[in-house]
Amino acid sequence: SYVLTQPPSVSVAPGQTARITCGGNNIGSKSVHWYQQKPGQAPVLVVYDDSDRPSGIPERFSGSNSGNTATLTISRVEAGDEADYYCQVWDSSSDHQRWVFGGGTKLTVL
Amino acid sequence: EVQLVESGGGLVQPGRSLRLSCAASGFTFDDYAMHWVRQAPGKGLEWVSGISWNSGSIGYADSVKGRFTISRDNAKNSLYLQMNSLRAEDTALYYCAKGRDSGYADYAFDIWGQGTMVTVSS
Repeated sequence: SYVLTQPPSVSVAPGQTARITCGGNNIGSKSVHWYQQKPGQAPVLVVYDDSDRPSGIPERFSGSNSGNTATLTISRVEAGDEADYYCQVWDSSSDHQRWVFGGGTKLTVL
Repeated sequence: EVQLVESGGGLVQPGRSLRLSCAASGFTFDDYAMHWVRQAPGKGLEWVSGISWNSGSIGYADSVKGRFTISRDNAKNSLYLQMNSLRAEDTALYYCAKGRDSGYADYAFDIWGQGTMVTVSS
């Protein structure tokens, strides 16, 4: 079955750039979606189809995807960006097609 | 305002059944795929099931296949999850989520409800 690997935690100072990775076998051939989840709240879509942003999501959020790694980049990090971030792909490679989430990365703003 | 409101959660004994509902508003419900996603306490997100706009395509996670049934009623703008033979490991917050397109594959989930808690315990 397809596995997405994320670092458990990433820390960054305010104003700096945070990069959250999502590893998977040939993930560059898939569309990757990213969600932000703050404590006690539902997830929010922040990037879809590797690098597109839904309306209302700041331009500070961007995504890339190539080879075996997808990356969510948050520029000029703010305290309000502190949250858990999850990557997601549609796995059509196995007999049982399904949606797969990464384990999540906790972003801490120092 | 686009909104998804889940209901039907609660405390249930192992082996029993529960039916979750999700009421949609603010968008054309029958244009989009819908999903159920769960999150066990302190854990990550797990996709449970998805259904295409016309119920023509349906998928389940291996962990629930054969026990859970997803359905929708487009006339009532509602999504359902019938959960049978519940286990302790099904304990989680269950979210209803809207797909960005009519099929339940490939397209991200752009609107999420606040979730309904299911606790399976004797």
